[in-house]
Amino acid sequence: GENVEQHPSTLSVQEGDSAVIKCTYSDSASNYFPWYKQELGKRPQLIIDIRSNVGEKKDQRIAVTLNKTAKHFSLHITETQPEDSAVYFCAARGFSGGYNKLIFGAGTRLAVHP
Amino acid sequence: EAGVTQFPSHSVIEKGQTVTLRCDPISGHDNLYWYRRVMGKEIKFLLHFVKESKQDESGMPNNRFLAERTGGTYSTLKVQPAELEDSGVYFCASSLKTGRGSYEQYFGPGTRLTVT
Repeated sequence: GENVEQHPSTLSVQEGDSAVIKCTYSDSASNYFPWYKQELGKRPQLIIDIRSNVGEKKDQRIAVTLNKTAKHFSLHITETQPEDSAVYFCAARGFSGGYNKLIFGAGTRLAVHP
Repeated sequence: EAGVTQFPSHSVIEKGQTVTLRCDPISGHDNLYWYRRVMGKEIKFLLHFVKESKQDESGMPNNRFLAERTGGTYSTLKVQPAELEDSGVYFCASSLKTGRGSYEQYFGPGTRLTVT
């Protein structure tokens, strides 16, 4: 079935360093890849997304890259700050049995230390 | 604009009891989704409504779960009877009309369900 693998499960960095989270998806028909940030006790918030007709997208300190051939996509956070600490989820739009559902990775807990 | 809201925020019930979760999507969003996160694992898709119709219920775990969206506005998810493995955080999300290519899904804060 459809699945999304996400690595690492935990990531600890010093403030100012970069953080990279990687995901691999299984469904070659997937065409939309969002990233969500969930702070403790809060709802998952969409922070950036990318569609399959684009290889890279940037928004200030965050960027996402997509390699359709390898079915890989990654989140890059530069100049990390303590407020970036959260659980990050990658997802891919799935089609099996219907359309528009999101298939999520297991999440990455990012800790940014001052 | 108000975001997706869910009620209750927490629910603790005993095995065998019934619980009903409610989701109010963003006004004007035809698409409504239910997801569940169990024990720190991935967020898993349960089902998808387009207005009042079930578009995809391939993720519903079994017939103890019943979702409704009468009138195409708010939705309820009933678990009857609840089992221990149903514990987790239930998220609702909504999005605009899919046909316009608007894929962004906006999540609610979730309902934490604990079955004892």
